[in-house]
Amino acid sequence: DGGITQSPKYLFRKEGQNVTLSCEQNLNHDAMYWYRQDPGQGLRLIYYSQIVNDFQKGDIAEGYSVSREKKESFPLTVTSAQKNPTAFYLCASTPGRANEKLFFGSGTQLSVL
Amino acid sequence: GENVEQHPSTLSVQEGDSAVIKCTYSDSASNYFPWYKQELGKRPQLIIDIRSNVGEKKDQRIAVTLNKTAKHFSLHITETQPEDSAVYFCAATLGGYGQNFVFGPGTRLSVLP
Repeated sequence: DGGITQSPKYLFRKEGQNVTLSCEQNLNHDAMYWYRQDPGQGLRLIYYSQIVNDFQKGDIAEGYSVSREKKESFPLTVTSAQKNPTAFYLCASTPGRANEKLFFGSGTQLSVL
Repeated sequence: GENVEQHPSTLSVQEGDSAVIKCTYSDSASNYFPWYKQELGKRPQLIIDIRSNVGEKKDQRIAVTLNKTAKHFSLHITETQPEDSAVYFCAATLGGYGQNFVFGPGTRLSVLP
């Protein structure tokens, strides 16, 4: 189904390696978000972007980086500085800056080799 | 800041029985409370939401109640079916900004045939 597409579905990272998770949306949404999901914990906000070429740190931004060069795309890079990267990563978007309707992607499971 | 607790963490019910999941929040200013359903390997999807000016909302077999005084809200699923088996998580937020969402840790519901 369309909307928000995350790739890959599964990703493995070697120690010291940076990896990039893709998030693309065709909903014409202004705002995009990255969440981390760990077992037994609620979703935690990593980064968000309300407009192209602008993004803000969330609650757990350390060890991650993002870019927003296009409205449709909001890739997340997990850097080697993130010492515990194993988690399920969810991308989401909302139609506007002040709209509660979160639309989620299907997620990427990142594991460390 | 806002904190959301959710109980129980796991719940098993017989098909046809009702299921109730409860969330409590700490910030009395929060005014929007969505519930998401996440089936195994799939994206979270909004199933019902409620605003602070409403005490109850119902959509077929699903209902949500809100007690602002006690700062808790609950998801009620009646006549449960096997396809209701999933992880359900709640959230609380102030205003309409996606970056303000605070999520509960989730409840794994199993509906036994």
